[in-house]
This record gives sequence, structure tokens and C-alpha cells, in this order.
Amino acid sequence: QKEVEQNSGPLSVPEGAIASLNCTYSDRVSQSFFWYRQYSGKSPELIMSIYSNGDKEDGRFTAQLNKASQYVSLLIRDSQPSDSATYLCAVNSGLTSGTYKYIFGTGTRLKVLA
Amino acid sequence: DVKVTQSSRYLVKRTGEKVFLECVQDMDHENMFWYRQDPGLGLRLIYFSYDVKMKEKGDIPEGYSVSREKKERFSLILESASTNQTSMYLCASSFSEYNEQFFGPGTRLTVL
Repeated sequence: QKEVEQNSGPLSVPEGAIASLNCTYSDRVSQSFFWYRQYSGKSPELIMSIYSNGDKEDGRFTAQLNKASQYVSLLIRDSQPSDSATYLCAVNSGLTSGTYKYIFGTGTRLKVLA
Repeated sequence: DVKVTQSSRYLVKRTGEKVFLECVQDMDHENMFWYRQDPGLGLRLIYFSYDVKMKEKGDIPEGYSVSREKKERFSLILESASTNQTSMYLCASSFSEYNEQFFGPGTRLTVL
């Protein structure tokens, strides 16, 4: 089982719809969770951080965290063609015994259709 | 805004050459990281540093070394470049081990 799992996609949604991206993780002691957007050929760009259970909203983005079920999700409202990118989930368990656990999923490719 | 810069966007080197990739951050972050990203393999951690002159191996340190002489600068060194080190190299920094990482623009390295 991978430590952080994402569906690779592509996830196709029409312009203006809500895109829902999901991520599950295996380490129960994980403490912080992040979503990155990565355009083709570019580096990952941080779009959301979430540290506690529940929802966190920032503009058109909402991150949802459920530690009991070990999943984190990202909702993108009013999706735009410019949102078409790969979205990476990252899960952080901090520094333990010299091992740093900031694990990335392999990403979900989102395509927003005009 | 956090700014992480990398010395080159594109680099072409020959097999056996010594290669230096430089990364600088301007936010006084404690932690710095080097990753490589390859299609289908995602982001893989090469080395990280949580303090000046401190370094720890990541998941794939073989064939690489690092140097952190100043807090803001973290260098990745390929001692003798090989074709299987052709990749996108990404530097990142974070305030602490529990905070988010911010990435530089990346260096696409091709080893011929």
C-alpha cells in the first residue's frame, strides 16, 4: 500500500462545475496536509494547507480533512480551464528519528473542458 | 512571499562531469530539500537539511551529495553525472518540519 494515494485521472469536468480531488494516507500520526498544483513543465505551487479536521476555504478552493478516515480532499468550485493541471497531495509526519516524512502522492490530472 | 530560486532552468552536461545545482531561499527557513521528479515516479527526496552544515539522506541519495554552508543556500552535487540522472530537479524550503514546503522553479538536467 502506498503511503499517499491519489487517483491518477484524468478527471474531466466541464467549465463552471465543481472538481473533487481525493487523497488517502496510511500514517495515522500525520499532522499536516497540503495540496499543490503543478502545470506541465513547471514546479509544484502550494495552494492549500490544512492541519485540523474539517473544512478550510480559500477563494474557490476548499480543503477537507478527516483524520479518522485518513483522507483529505480538495474541492475546486467554478472550475476554469486554467485550473487544468496535476494536483499533488502531500502528507507530513514531521521529523522522526532522523527520517523526514513529507510524502507526496503521484498526483491527479484535472482537465477542465471549456 | 517566499522566494526560492535555482541557479539554472535548463542544464546539459556530459557523462562523468561534476554538476552543481544551487538553490537559494530568502525567507530564513530552517529546512531545505532536494527532490527529483520523473514521469510515473513522482517526487522523490534526495537529501534534506534542517540546519546549516546538517544534512540527512532522503530516499534516493546514491550518486548525489549536498552542501549547506549558509542558511539560505543549499547545493546539490552530482559527483560524476550519469544518463540516469537526467531529470527535473526541484529545491524546496520550509520554516519547520511541520510546515508547508515552497518550491523553486526547477532545473531540467539532461546528461548526454
